[in-house]
Amino acid sequence: AQSVTQPDIHITVSEGASLELRCNYSYGATPYLFWYVQSPGQGLQLLLKYFSGDTLVQGIKGFEAEFKRSQSSFNLRKPSVHWSDAAEYFCAVGGDYSGGGADGLTFGKGTHLIIQP
Amino acid sequence: AAGVIQSPRHLIKEKRETATLKCYPIPRHDTVYWYQQGPGQDPQFLISFYEKMQSDKGSIPDRFSAQQFSDYHSELNMSSLELGDSALYFCASSADSDRSLYNEQFFGPGTRLTVL
Repeated sequence: AQSVTQPDIHITVSEGASLELRCNYSYGATPYLFWYVQSPGQGLQLLLKYFSGDTLVQGIKGFEAEFKRSQSSFNLRKPSVHWSDAAEYFCAVGGDYSGGGADGLTFGKGTHLIIQP
Repeated sequence: AAGVIQSPRHLIKEKRETATLKCYPIPRHDTVYWYQQGPGQDPQFLISFYEKMQSDKGSIPDRFSAQQFSDYHSELNMSSLELGDSALYFCASSADSDRSLYNEQFFGPGTRLTVL
């Protein structure tokens, strides 16, 4: 069974500082990896995704993530955070159709990002 | 661009009542997914449909059922509601005509269900 671990429940970063949110996954085949952001009471916005190819992927809002197969990781980074980045961040993994179905995504527990002025 | 539409956006029900949530996928999307996100929790996959047939099943309670209609919209029916069913319910859709690839799921804004 696939799983996602986000080791950090909360992270506090000063505005303008760099950010790295950790994500480790477990999946038997080629994983499809995603980062979503959610503001309180709001829906899920896709930041970026990795399907194949270049292991460093660029997303919206200045975010990037690096897929490292050897470490089963897909960490999210941003060089300089803004107060508006404060939100909940979810890493998710999805499979392919080899099992015959349209696989639902498996999400991590999320990391709550707090931005200090 | 058109997005996934969910209705209603907010719903308040009493225990043991029933609720029906609706999802209208992006035009030409043929696959619909349902997720449940409890307070302070991560979204949990419930069920998916492809071309009106159930495709994958997650942690959907037996009290819940869902279906996808000929126009590809989907409804999640929830019976004998419990306090623990209070959550944000997301629908997502994807275009899966090419099933050799993984197709991105686009999420709707969610329906917030409160059970009193």
